[in-house]
Amino acid sequence: EVQLVESGGGLVQPGGSLRLSCAASGFTFRSYWMHWVRQAPGKGLVWVSHIYNDGSSTSYADSVRGRFTISRDNAKNTLYLQMNSLRAEDTAVYYCARGQPSFSDYWGQGTLVTVSS
Amino acid sequence: QSALTQPRSVSGSPGQSVTISCTGTSSDVGGYNYVSWYQQHPGKAPKLMIYDVSKRPSGVPDRFSGSKSGNTASLTISGLQAEDEADYYCCSYTGSYSLVFGGGTKLTVL
Repeated sequence: EVQLVESGGGLVQPGGSLRLSCAASGFTFRSYWMHWVRQAPGKGLVWVSHIYNDGSSTSYADSVRGRFTISRDNAKNTLYLQMNSLRAEDTAVYYCARGQPSFSDYWGQGTLVTVSS
Repeated sequence: QSALTQPRSVSGSPGQSVTISCTGTSSDVGGYNYVSWYQQHPGKAPKLMIYDVSKRPSGVPDRFSGSKSGNTASLTISGLQAEDEADYYCCSYTGSYSLVFGGGTKLTVL
């Protein structure tokens, strides 16, 4: 059974940093692209970033480029999202998802990030 | 990248068909056959319903179908059932390995 479990969310002050993790199991992690997608409270889905199977290629939404860094450790079956210079508008549930460059076929349950003083 | 345009809400009675539109530009929806659709129930993670415009993952009922014409993609749900009531999001590849979602459509089953 495919499982994706996010962790690392919480309350952080504006300008602060946080690292999210996503532990994957039930599939060959190194064979898939991985995505981060976020959803602000009561709002829609917003694509944040994705990373190629071996980590050699990454892409970011304009709103996070230069502040967020996606990475993965295929030996540990874990996806990461390092978030720096956090802003109030980054407050959201962050989902990790497995897939291909253009879609995600399995999603985790999400972890809530709240940016507030 | 601007979000794709979806109607905020649609509704239908059990057994009827509904169609949700997703309008973009020639740089996203119209430029690639990489449109996907997701269903999200309240408090739950999204679920993939359609990918590559019209392909259905295994386990998704054939009541769900996708299509595209020009810069507009559509999700049609036939034989509407109570459990179909949810939010639906379209998503398109935009080139340069980036993606964009629609604003979401709330489907109400009357």
